[in-house]
Amino acid sequence: DIQMTQSPSSLSASVGDRVTITCRASQSISSYLNWYQQKAGKAPKLLISDASSLQSGVPSRFSGSGSGTDFTLTISSLQPEDFATYYCQQSYSTPPTFGPGTKVDI
Amino acid sequence: QVQLVQSGAEVRKPGASVKVSCKASGFTFTNYYIHWVRQAPGQGLEWMGIINISAGTTNNAQKFQGRLTMTRDTSTSTVYMELSSLRSEDTAVYYCTRSGYYPRFDYWGQGTLVTVSS
Repeated sequence: DIQMTQSPSSLSASVGDRVTITCRASQSISSYLNWYQQKAGKAPKLLISDASSLQSGVPSRFSGSGSGTDFTLTISSLQPEDFATYYCQQSYSTPPTFGPGTKVDI
Repeated sequence: QVQLVQSGAEVRKPGASVKVSCKASGFTFTNYYIHWVRQAPGQGLEWMGIINISAGTTNNAQKFQGRLTMTRDTSTSTVYMELSSLRSEDTAVYYCTRSGYYPRFDYWGQGTLVTVSS
């Protein structure tokens, strides 16, 4: 199985901050990397697929980059509704695996 | 609009089984795959398995081999996930989620809490 790691595991930020979350795969996954946002008590929401494709309706302050083993999710200007936990997930091979998550709080 | 609506919370004793349903609407059911992902309290997301709605074939994560059964009813656009031989570590929220050929999970059910306790 492909192992996914994320850093940091948590971070504290303020409204308006630029936030960067890193995800690393244990082997090359090309661009088969997705990012999800999960708020407390809710199902995850797909933000970005294939490393950099923003899903419809997702604000443009979210962006993704990377390929191979190293990927980044960036929030350019953090908004109050962005405080949540973010997960990366590889869709390169079965089983699909998730990173452990990064909690973004105030 | 696309919706996945799951059945309600369940409580089971260790050793019992639980069956959770996931009713789909707003899309052509047989064109997609349904996955099950679970989340233990305060923990991350764990993929459990996939069912090919068109073919009815399934593939489970190794750790659930022999305990996890997924079925579908195309007449009602519903998928079922049954987990047997429950133990306390199976206490979690169970989600159904949709994907195309590649497992990008674009729509999710609301989640079903399964509590395993004696």
